[in-house]
Amino acid sequence: GAVVSQHPSWVICKSGTSVKIECRSLDFQATTMFWYRQFPKQSLMLMATSNEGSKATYEQGVEKDKFLINHASLTLSTLTVTSAHPEDSSFYICSASTGTNEKLFFGSGTQLSVL
Amino acid sequence: AQKVTQAQTEISVVEKEDVTLDCVYETRDTTYYLFWYKQPPSGELVFLIRRNSFDEQNEISGRYSWNFQKSTSSFNFTITASQVVDSAVYFCALSVSGTYKYIFGTGTRLKVLA
Repeated sequence: GAVVSQHPSWVICKSGTSVKIECRSLDFQATTMFWYRQFPKQSLMLMATSNEGSKATYEQGVEKDKFLINHASLTLSTLTVTSAHPEDSSFYICSASTGTNEKLFFGSGTQLSVL
Repeated sequence: AQKVTQAQTEISVVEKEDVTLDCVYETRDTTYYLFWYKQPPSGELVFLIRRNSFDEQNEISGRYSWNFQKSTSSFNFTITASQVVDSAVYFCALSVSGTYKYIFGTGTRLKVLA
């Protein structure tokens, strides 16, 4: 089956620094990737839709300048949390579609802790 | 607008008991997909099932079974003879055809006690 790799699995950073999270589709090309955020014991909330070669589409309430998304190739999308603050601490998870059967494949997630 | 409701926040059962996780969805679209995912403590989402809106056949896969009823907008998930390894958070999700945008429910935390 299709595999989505997400790195790093966890990251601890100081407040004010930027953190980059990578999402790769290993064995398929993903024209569209999605970034979700999950607070402890809560559901996954869609942050943005990342399209290869074009600007990401952000959901209402998500700061595009805060969460920079780049989808430079058909196999890689990155999420950069800029000037991170403790309230950005969360579990971030990406997903990608093969373009068929409406099925998304999810990465293993990144736990971000901002001190 | 689409919405997925998982009214059960947490369920605890003893091993070997059967357990049903409820999922109710809302959408005005006629073509949509419903999913169940399992999220173990490690965090990754494990795909369990996908069902399209035109296929109301119930499905059984080993100890897992799903009951899709359009009349009540429900897509319930039953685990038969539960095991400790079934302990996880289970999410129901909805996507409208062609969008790939999943709307997740709030999840049900299942604890299976030995």
